[in-house]
Amino acid sequence: AQKITQTQPGMFVQEKEAVTLDCTYDTSDPSYGLFWYKQPSSGEMIFLIYQGSYDQQNATEGRYSLNFQKARKSANLVISASQLGDSAMYFCAMRGGQGGSEKLVFGKGTKLTVNP
Amino acid sequence: DAGITQSPRHKVTETGTPVTLRCHQTENHRYMYWYRQDPGHGLRLIHYSYGVKDTDKGEVSDGYSVSRSKTEDFLLTLESATSSQTSVYFCAISPGLAMNEQFFGPGTRLTVL
Repeated sequence: AQKITQTQPGMFVQEKEAVTLDCTYDTSDPSYGLFWYKQPSSGEMIFLIYQGSYDQQNATEGRYSLNFQKARKSANLVISASQLGDSAMYFCAMRGGQGGSEKLVFGKGTKLTVNP
Repeated sequence: DAGITQSPRHKVTETGTPVTLRCHQTENHRYMYWYRQDPGHGLRLIHYSYGVKDTDKGEVSDGYSVSRSKTEDFLLTLESATSSQTSVYFCAISPGLAMNEQFFGPGTRLTVL
């Protein structure tokens, strides 16, 4: 069975500093994808970044990058130059290839607080 | 923004009543999903659809049914609502196999008294 673990219930960072949010995963499927979503206090789920299991390079999207370490089964999100608007819940999720359903399994999330 | 709407956005109902939530997309995507979000659990998949009239169960499907008669609409029904189904419900869509994106609707907050 697929599983996502986010071990940090809460994280604090000073504005303009970088922060890493941890995510480890477990799957026996060789083909999978990893996602990060942001959920601000308003409640919507905002897609941030995606990493495929066969991608050779770490994914980047603006200030977001994904530190993908396949052997360690980790997919940490790095946010550079934190802004006050980055304060939110962050969820890591995994897509597996079993059955072609493209279902996502989510971690329980990390609450990030950016301090001025 | 992905064209996904959910209705209603908020609903309060009583135990034992039927409830239907609607998800509507304008993207013509093949896959549609219903998740629920509860404190301490993240998001959990209820049901999903991989085409018109093609649906399957997710992790927490008990007490829920779904229907998809058109590509653009995916309905979630609680046949007889219970207090344990008080939650925020999210619909999501994705284009297909090996997808690298899944977009979510704004959510529906359901309270069962």
